[in-house]
Amino acid sequence: KAGVTQTPRYLIKTRGQQVTLSCSPISGHRSVSWYQQTPGQGLQFLFEYFSETQRNKGNFPGRFSGRQFSNSRSEMNVSTLELGDSALYLCASSWTGYPPTNEKLFFGSGTQLSVL
Amino acid sequence: QKEVEQDPGPLSVPEGAIVSLNCTYSNSAFQYFMWYRQYSRKGPELLMYTYSSGNKEDGRFTAQVDKSSKYISLFIRDSQPSDSATYLCAMSPLKVFNAGGTSYGKLTFGQGTILTVHP
Repeated sequence: KAGVTQTPRYLIKTRGQQVTLSCSPISGHRSVSWYQQTPGQGLQFLFEYFSETQRNKGNFPGRFSGRQFSNSRSEMNVSTLELGDSALYLCASSWTGYPPTNEKLFFGSGTQLSVL
Repeated sequence: QKEVEQDPGPLSVPEGAIVSLNCTYSNSAFQYFMWYRQYSRKGPELLMYTYSSGNKEDGRFTAQVDKSSKYISLFIRDSQPSDSATYLCAMSPLKVFNAGGTSYGKLTFGQGTILTVHP
């Protein structure tokens, strides 16, 4: 079974530009979450999508947005890039069911974004 | 003060040593506790998962949760050079959505402890 796939692996942008990152979850997983990882702040939650709806959101400015498609693939977009947006952006997927089960969150290898 | 505190190390031990990694937390709503391992230039990989106080063992790894003290630990026995990585604790409350099952998508992570096991 293929893992979580993120593209591109590396990205270099300049301040003011926008960027779109892509994530394909594990087959059958309907929940996709995004995290930002930096040396100073560590891993921070951005948002979570389930069935094309955002149902959890972290404390990031509105420049950070995302969406999920009907096939559960997800994209996140960062507009008007700032130097401080340089980070590893990680996508994670999980299967969600009811009643609560032994769920696990599986991470991709991330997209390393450098803003110059 | 951060909700989850983890000593960033770095921690260097000889092969075969017992490693103890710890996190403290302040949010009483946290119910699910996880340990992730992250190798350089890779995403975090789930090692252990627990939702109750007490110990959980999996091979050389033991996760310990003390909710009364808001303290969790990961022990690695007979450590190997391949265990060299960054270890992250993570925790979450559990939300239940009637329409969409359950979610703990919002994990709060510790800063990570860098572990090196030398031969």
